[in-house]
Amino acid sequence: SQKIEQNSEALNIQEGKTATLTCNYTNYSPAYLQWYRQDPGRGPVFLLLIRENEKEKRKERLKVTFDTTLKQSLFHITASQPADSATYLCALEGSGAGSYQLTFGKGTKLSVIP
Amino acid sequence: EAGVAQSPRYKIIEKRQSVAFWCNPISGHATLYWYQQILGQGPKLLIQFQNNGVVDDSQLPKDRFSAERLKGVDSTLKIQPAKLEDSAVYLCASSLSTGAQETQYFGPGTRLLVL
Repeated sequence: SQKIEQNSEALNIQEGKTATLTCNYTNYSPAYLQWYRQDPGRGPVFLLLIRENEKEKRKERLKVTFDTTLKQSLFHITASQPADSATYLCALEGSGAGSYQLTFGKGTKLSVIP
Repeated sequence: EAGVAQSPRYKIIEKRQSVAFWCNPISGHATLYWYQQILGQGPKLLIQFQNNGVVDDSQLPKDRFSAERLKGVDSTLKIQPAKLEDSAVYLCASSLSTGAQETQYFGPGTRLLVL
């Protein structure tokens, strides 16, 4: 069965450092991979999408890589700030039932310590 | 642009009672999703609508859960009767279409506690 694993439930990092979150998957061949941010009491917010034929995608301080051989995506936040503290979810996008759907990982709770 | 609206924000019921959640998607979004998010887990898709038709409801526990999207805009999700394990946040999301690479926009969710 399909399985998505995000490396750890929680990650603490010092302000100004680079945070790296990992998303691994098995028994799946996603066409796209998306990363979302979720704050307490709120719904997830879309951050970045990367296609299977793209190695890297950047947006401001965010960078995502996608290695379909390793079945892994890495999500980096450079120069992290306390405001970056949140839960980050990776989601695999594949086709099913005639449409595209997202399958989410459990998320990694990032805490940026001042 | 107004976001996805959901109500109520919180609901506490006893097991075997029924409950209904309401969602109003972003204007013009044809696709609407209901997700269940249990504490410590990622969102799990329950049902997906395209306009007023069901695209996928394979993960919806149909013996107790039902959903409809009359007129292809607002949607309601109902649980009857509720079980303890239904305690979760129910998220509604919408997107322009069911195509690839569509961004899904989520509402704030309804937090359900079943006692």
